[in-house]
Amino acid sequence: GQNIDQPTEMTATEGAIVQINCTYQTSGFNGLFWYQQHAGEAPTFLSYNVLDGLEEKGRFSSFLSRSKGYSYLLLKELQMKDSASYLCADLDSNYQLIWGAGTKLIIKP
Amino acid sequence: IAGITQAPTSQILAAGRRMTLRCTQDMRHNAMYWYRQDLGLGLRLIHYSNTAGTTGKGEVPDGYSVSRANTDDFPLTLASAVPSQTSVYFCASSTLGGSGNEQFFGPGTRLTVL
Repeated sequence: GQNIDQPTEMTATEGAIVQINCTYQTSGFNGLFWYQQHAGEAPTFLSYNVLDGLEEKGRFSSFLSRSKGYSYLLLKELQMKDSASYLCADLDSNYQLIWGAGTKLIIKP
Repeated sequence: IAGITQAPTSQILAAGRRMTLRCTQDMRHNAMYWYRQDLGLGLRLIHYSNTAGTTGKGEVPDGYSVSRANTDDFPLTLASAVPSQTSVYFCASSTLGGSGNEQFFGPGTRLTVL
């Protein structure tokens, strides 16, 4: 079967760091994506991991452990504009994206 | 236009009516996709096309059809709409299907079937 799990909602404070976790169980694996989606808007690409380890891109970093079926998105120096949903998606054996339901991140001043 | 566009932005439709959602991209991407997004659920793939002239079924294809006559356009048709098709529909494209390429999304169409 195919299953992507991530927390439904998280709250963090402006200027802080937050880690959003994602676990996946799919019939095949060809990489793990993270997308950001502001309310009422389209998803936009943040990162793609296919090898184990941490990939850093400015304030955002993404980590992958293939053996554990686990990824996380790390957001540093949080800004109010980071309030959005963060979608984890696994590229399965058919090269189709299987999406989690998303984590709604609420940033408080 | 630059990127990927969808029309209409929103639509209210009576059950049983036929409806075509339009999607156009000008990035010369080979692959295009249609997703629906419902509250509490992840994006679910309806149909996809890895290249002009070919289409494939995704996770939830029933009640929907697509065509890919050329590279730029990928319309989604609901032959006879039902209330369970009320959703937000996103079209997306990527340089190459069957790869780890980033997908670019259109702004979405909010469809309500009464």
